[in-house]
Amino acid sequence: AQTVTQSQPEMSVQEAETVTLSCTYDTSESDYYLFWYKQPPSRQMILVIRQEAYKQQNATENRFSVNFQKAAKSFSLKISDSQLGDAAMYFCAYENQGAQKLVFGQGTRLTINP
Amino acid sequence: GAGVSQSPSNKVTEKGKDVELRCDPISGHTALYWYRQSLGQGLEFLIYFQGNSAPDKSGLPSDRFSAERTGGSVSTLTIQRTQQEDSAVYLCASSRWGRQGERNTIYFGEGSWLTVV
Repeated sequence: AQTVTQSQPEMSVQEAETVTLSCTYDTSESDYYLFWYKQPPSRQMILVIRQEAYKQQNATENRFSVNFQKAAKSFSLKISDSQLGDAAMYFCAYENQGAQKLVFGQGTRLTINP
Repeated sequence: GAGVSQSPSNKVTEKGKDVELRCDPISGHTALYWYRQSLGQGLEFLIYFQGNSAPDKSGLPSDRFSAERTGGSVSTLTIQRTQQEDSAVYLCASSRWGRQGERNTIYFGEGSWLTVV
């Protein structure tokens, strides 16, 4: 079974600085998707960024980018120019291609210090 | 609707009672998912519906849990004889399947927070 590990229960960063959240996963599959979701206090999970395993190029979405290392099974999220609104729980998630269920990590609580 | 809608937002129930949680997915989304999030934990897959296919129930933790989806739209998650360990946020999500089976973005609701006392 696939597993996702987020080794940082909590992280904090000064506003406007850059922070990197770590995620590793374990799978024997070659085709899969990786995701970062943000969960603010409203509880709604919001997709931040998505990476297809077959793509070598790292995904980027404005201030959010990933460092996808397939051989190392690592998928970190970099948030540049951190803003107060970025404060939330961040979850890394994995899904086999063709499957219909996400496997989530335990989450990292990100605090932004003004 | 504009997003995935769940009700009730919060529910407190006594141990042993049955509860029903409702999910109204985004219009046109054929795939519907239920996840459970226990306090301070990640999300745990419960069940998945896709169109008229038989649901994937592999994540349901016990036979006290069941779910149905009527008319390919609204879904109800039922927990019978609730236990304290059932206390969690129950999140519903939906997505639209694109061409060639590619799944598009999953959209989550705000969840139903269940407390069993």
